Amino acid sequence: SQELEQSPQSLIVQEGKNLTINCTSSKTLYGLYWYKQKYGEGLIFLMMLQKGGEEKSHEKITAKLDEKKQQSSLHITASQPSHAGIYLCGALNYGGSQGNLIFGKGTKLSVKP
Amino acid sequence: EPEVTQTPSHQVTQMGQEVILRCVPISNHLYFYWYRQILGQKVEFLVSFYNNEISEKSEIFDDQFSVERPDGSNFTLKIRSTKLEDSAMYFCASKGDRGSNQPQHFGDGTRLSIL
Repeated sequence: SQELEQSPQSLIVQEGKNLTINCTSSKTLYGLYWYKQKYGEGLIFLMMLQKGGEEKSHEKITAKLDEKKQQSSLHITASQPSHAGIYLCGALNYGGSQGNLIFGKGTKLSVKP
Repeated sequence: EPEVTQTPSHQVTQMGQEVILRCVPISNHLYFYWYRQILGQKVEFLVSFYNNEISEKSEIFDDQFSVERPDGSNFTLKIRSTKLEDSAMYFCASKGDRGSNQPQHFGDGTRLSIL
């Protein structure tokens, strides 16, 4: 079965600093989704990547999928307190047929003002 | 922006009791999902639903679980006889079509506490 490993597990950064979160898959990724979760709330969709080498940006967040489609990174530039939360990578389940997702354990981001 | 809504936000139930978690997916979406997240663990897939029937389910989704779309808007998850280990956050999600380039949109979840 497919597994997603995220690193680091947690991250504390000073406001204004850049940071990167990684997501590594045990199998080729056919769709990689980044979500943000605030404590006690739902998952907010950020970005989706499908093609090897693909890169997408939204505001100060950039996500990339490597050429081999087994690793993705999420980069935040000039972090702000509003970026704090848990970032989850999700992938289409390798064996699933209806698009169900498997998730990594998440990376907890804290931004100190 | 349209969103997935879930009720209640928190449900406390005695072990052995039945519980129904409710979801209103985004109105023009066709694919519906339930996931759960036990405290400190990964978000796990439970079941997917399309065209008024279950299309896929995980090992977690045993005979104690059932899903229903009783009308054109609600999508429910029923746990027939709750166990302590059912305590978790339950998320409903919906997607517009089968295409892999469509993201799933999640609700804020129902926190289920079994006593």
